Formats: sequence, C-alpha cells, structure tokens
Amino acid sequence: QSVLTQPPSASGTPGQRVTIYCSGSNSNIGSNYVHWYQQLPGTAPKLLIYRNHQRPSGVPDRFSGSKSGTSASLAISGLRSEDEADYYCAAWGDSLSGHVFGTGTKVTVL
Amino acid sequence: QVQVVESGGGVVQPGRSLRLSCAASGFTFSRYGMHRVRQAPGKGLEWVAGTSYDGSYKYYLDSVEGRFTISRDNSKNTLYLQMNSLRAEDTAVYYCAKDGGWELREAMDVWGQGTTVTVSS
Repeated sequence: QSVLTQPPSASGTPGQRVTIYCSGSNSNIGSNYVHWYQQLPGTAPKLLIYRNHQRPSGVPDRFSGSKSGTSASLAISGLRSEDEADYYCAAWGDSLSGHVFGTGTKVTVL
Repeated sequence: QVQVVESGGGVVQPGRSLRLSCAASGFTFSRYGMHRVRQAPGKGLEWVAGTSYDGSYKYYLDSVEGRFTISRDNSKNTLYLQMNSLRAEDTAVYYCAKDGGWELREAMDVWGQGTTVTVSS
C-alpha cells in the first residue's frame, strides 16, 4: 500500500520540461530524505535522485529534484524519447519503520 | 563492478515456502544495509523488508511480518529472504537492493535484475 501519492501519468514533447509531484506526510517526506527512481520498460529500477536533489554519477543534469514540507518534485528538462519510463518517489516512513514508495508516474514522450 | 544478483525464484503452491538469495560483489557488503523490494505484475514498487549492515535491525512490510524473514551472511556476501506461508498476493518480481548507508534510510543505489515468484496452485 503506497502512502506517497503521484499522478499516474505525465507527458510532453521532445525538448519540453515535465514535472512530477509526490505528496506525503510529516512521518515520511516531512522528516526524511526523498529519493527518485526510474524504471525503463522491462528493466529493474535505477536510482535517479537521492537526498532530495542529489544526482548519482552518470545521471544527466536534465533531471533535478526538490522537496518542500511534505511534498517533493522531479523535473525533467529537455525531454528525450529515452526518458519514457515509470518514475517513483520514495522515502523512509517513521510510523511504518520501512521505506514507502510513491504510486508511480508513467512519462510519455509525445 | 558493483552488482547484486538474485536467485531462488520459481512457482510454488499457496502455503508453501521459498528462499531467495542475493549475491553481492564489487563493494564491502558488510558495511551496507540491504533491502528487498517487489513488484506485482503490472503494479508499482513495494518495499518488503530491510536489514541493517550487521543484521541487528530488521524491518518488514506489515503484510509479510511473521511470514518472511530477511537475513544476511556477511562472510558470504549474501542476503536471504525466507518466505513462508506464501499467498497468491505475494506473486511478484522480487528485487534485491543495496542501501546507500549502514542503516536503511538512504537511497537504494544498486539493484539486481529481479527474480520472479509465482504463487499458484
């Protein structure tokens, strides 16, 4: 059962900027880091953003993350066809004593 | 290179047991927390269980607590998930993932390819 809410879908044309929002509560996003994962079709998830806005080595700077209060967002600028994937936010949940994932957002490049 | 490789998935009848393994290489396994995450067919990601670097802390999803046991053998660089009393709703691809820190609150920065568990009569 996901406790982090994301829109089911988002889309844009090549070159556009797309933003995905993730809504949580004080016991998860409000008090812990937010991370973002990208899952390309038929593959395992891959870490995209960690500690709210940090990018692992190799992740293009077209991807950026931010957090404010109990919400977070992932922005993809200069959208490319290879960005078509499912994106998940995640955070540690203090009340659950476990990680919680967002419901996931499918990004389509038109 | 840094990697984790899962094994042990398969088809099992409801109520039976299965043990998943995850072999780690390319990093100091004993310094990092480890997780199990699953994904039911056509569904999103669901965190299942996690263990701290030394196995002293273990946490579980409510729906698997008491049925699943996560453990690790740092001498073998291997993570285990013992799954008992399996139910149809446990059917999923199970991923092994490395935590970025010694506890379990950091991001999961290395993921395996997943192993499929199907619970069906």
